[in-house]
Amino acid sequence: QSALTQPPSASGSPGQSVTFSCTGTSSDVGTYNYVSWYQRHPGKAPKLIIYEVSKRPSGVPGRFSGSKSGSTASLTVSGLQAEDEADYSCSSYAGNNLVVFGGGTKLTVL
Amino acid sequence: QLLLQESGPGLVKPSETLSLTCTVSGGSIGSSTYYWGWIRQPPGKGLEWIGSIHFTGGTYYTYYNPSLKSRVTISVDTSKNQVSLKLDSVAAADTAVYFCARHAGVVAGFNFDNWGQGTLVTVSS
Repeated sequence: QSALTQPPSASGSPGQSVTFSCTGTSSDVGTYNYVSWYQRHPGKAPKLIIYEVSKRPSGVPGRFSGSKSGSTASLTVSGLQAEDEADYSCSSYAGNNLVVFGGGTKLTVL
Repeated sequence: QLLLQESGPGLVKPSETLSLTCTVSGGSIGSSTYYWGWIRQPPGKGLEWIGSIHFTGGTYYTYYNPSLKSRVTISVDTSKNQVSLKLDSVAAADTAVYFCARHAGVVAGFNFDNWGQGTLVTVSS
C-alpha cells in the first residue's frame, strides 16, 4: 500500500483554472471510483470537497470538480479565488477496508 | 452538529506509547453507518491513514494501515462516546499532527466527511 502521488505545488492567478493530479495504481485509484479530495488551510481541519471521484458535498462551490482516467484522478479549481490557497490532498479506497492518501499539493494563488 | 475533539499528551518519549482520545459529540460511535478513523500528518509531509474502527453486527471491527499494524491499537469507550488510539514504540518519525475523523463505509465511498482539529504530538526525549 503506497501513498498516492501528487505534485508538491501548483499555482495560478485569480480567475484562472488549475488542475491537480493524483496518481495511484490498479490496486486503488485504477479499480475503485472512491477517490476523495480534501482542502486544508493552515492550522485547520481538512475539509472534504470531492468524493466518489466527482461528487461535491453540500456547500462546496461548483468551482471544484473532479475526474478520473485510469489510475490518475484530477481536481480542477476554476475561477481561482484568494481563499482557495490551501493544501489539497487526495485519498482512495484500496480494498479490504484500507485507504491510502496522497502527499498533498500546495496551491498558491498569485 | 457532529464534533470531534482529539486530546492527549503533546510530548512522548522515544520507545514509549502514544495515547490519544477522540471525544465525539452530536453523533454516536455505535452507529453502523460510519467508521471512526485516525489519520496523521508529519511536518512537511502528506496525510497518512493510521486505522479505523467500525461497529456492525454487535461487534467493533478494526482496520489498520499495514505499515503501522504491528504497533497500533484502536478501541472505543462507548460509555464516553470516545475512540482511542495507541501507538507503541514511538520514534521521531511518529511526530505528527494526529486527527480523528468520521468516514463512510465501502458502499458509500470511504470518504472522511468530519474531522477533528488535530493535535500535535512530538516524540522527543
